Amino acid sequence: EPEVTQTPSHQVTQMGQEVILRCVPISNHLYFYWYRQILGQKVEFLVSFYNNEISEKSEIFDDQFSVERPDGSNFTLKIRSTKLEDSAMYFCATLGGAGADTQYFGPGTRLTVL
Amino acid sequence: GDSVTQMEGPVTLSEEAFLTINCTYTATGYPSLFWYVQYPGEGLQLLLKATKADDKGSNKGFEATYRKETTSFHLEKGSVQVSDSAVYFCALRGVYNQGGKLIFGQGTELSVKP
Repeated sequence: EPEVTQTPSHQVTQMGQEVILRCVPISNHLYFYWYRQILGQKVEFLVSFYNNEISEKSEIFDDQFSVERPDGSNFTLKIRSTKLEDSAMYFCATLGGAGADTQYFGPGTRLTVL
Repeated sequence: GDSVTQMEGPVTLSEEAFLTINCTYTATGYPSLFWYVQYPGEGLQLLLKATKADDKGSNKGFEATYRKETTSFHLEKGSVQVSDSAVYFCALRGVYNQGGKLIFGQGTELSVKP
């Protein structure tokens, strides 16, 4: 069964550093999402991406965050200057075309900011 | 705005016990409702879904009925197994949600003892 993959599985970084989290969506899926889960809290929506542009973003997704699909396969989340409070599990999810209603999630990247 | 509320965990049951995890929602119109499960060290997997009132979603012995009158989507299983130990998330996708984002409850941890 096709699956969403994410790399790395765990990233440790110093506060103020840039990180890039990578996701490989299921082939032929058109909608892409990033969510995050701070330890012990609920899963929160960050951003949705369709047709090479952001379709919706949450209040969390401020100017330090960006997303892109640089090569038609990977879908990346960049955090320009990490803060301690960015420490969380980051999940990528993908959705098929129009009419599809099931998002498929990757295993997540655990980001630890020191 | 739209929101989901789940019962607090952790829930600890003996094998073969009956399981109920409560989920209620607030949303305009008729959102689509989902239960996702997260096994230790893994990403979120869709367990079941319902897209209109009175629909019953079912999978692997779990079921949930979309109740518009009580705005609820409670998860049930008649006889749990040790392998059902995981965190369960209730989620909705709003009707007026252009990007298709999911809104999650806080998750309920289930621990099944032999």
